[in-house]
Amino acid sequence: QKEVEQNSGPLSVPEGAIASLNCTYSDRGSQSFFWYRQYSGKSPELIMFIYSNGDKEDGRFTAQLNKASQYVSLLIRDSQPSDSATYLCAVNSWGSGAGSYQLTFGKGTKLSVIP
Amino acid sequence: DGGITQSPKYLFRKEGQNVTLSCEQNLNHDAMYWYRQDPGQGLRLIYYSQIVNDFQKGDIAEGYSVSREKKESFPLTVTSAQKNPTAFYLCASSISGTGHAFFGQGTRLTVV
Repeated sequence: QKEVEQNSGPLSVPEGAIASLNCTYSDRGSQSFFWYRQYSGKSPELIMFIYSNGDKEDGRFTAQLNKASQYVSLLIRDSQPSDSATYLCAVNSWGSGAGSYQLTFGKGTKLSVIP
Repeated sequence: DGGITQSPKYLFRKEGQNVTLSCEQNLNHDAMYWYRQDPGQGLRLIYYSQIVNDFQKGDIAEGYSVSREKKESFPLTVTSAQKNPTAFYLCASSISGTGHAFFGQGTRLTVV
């Protein structure tokens, strides 16, 4: 069974600070990595994706990937109260038994940005 | 507008009853997924399908069944064999193999 691990939190940061969210995955053959944001009672929405080792920046968000360490992270700069949500790490990998791709999610990290 | 639609938003099931959750997408996506989310938990994969007339079990398929007769539709049946069905059910779709999933608004199922 493919596993995606996240610290459940809650992670509390003051407004304007950098929030750092981490994720590890078990399948070394995983090919693509995603961060979804989920507000309470709502469905997840995609905010970042990364395929290659290194950093990928999009506005206040930076995704970091280290395939050798099987580690992916999300940094949120200048955190705002509206960033308060649960952040889900997801990994897309080939399921050889099923013969198709499978998208596996972690349990999520709850982030609270304190005004 | 393109999107993915789940219905109903809220569903109540009696003990021993089968219920079917609807999921329809007009994004022309090949891949569709069903996830279950319990309070304070992440998403657990129930079933997924990469192509019409084919689907695979996820991590928690017991007590559930699906069909994929049309590209646009991927209904989930929660059978009486599922002993603890109360949860938030999410359907998603993506271009096959990409992982860029778009989610429906979810169905909250409660056993009464």
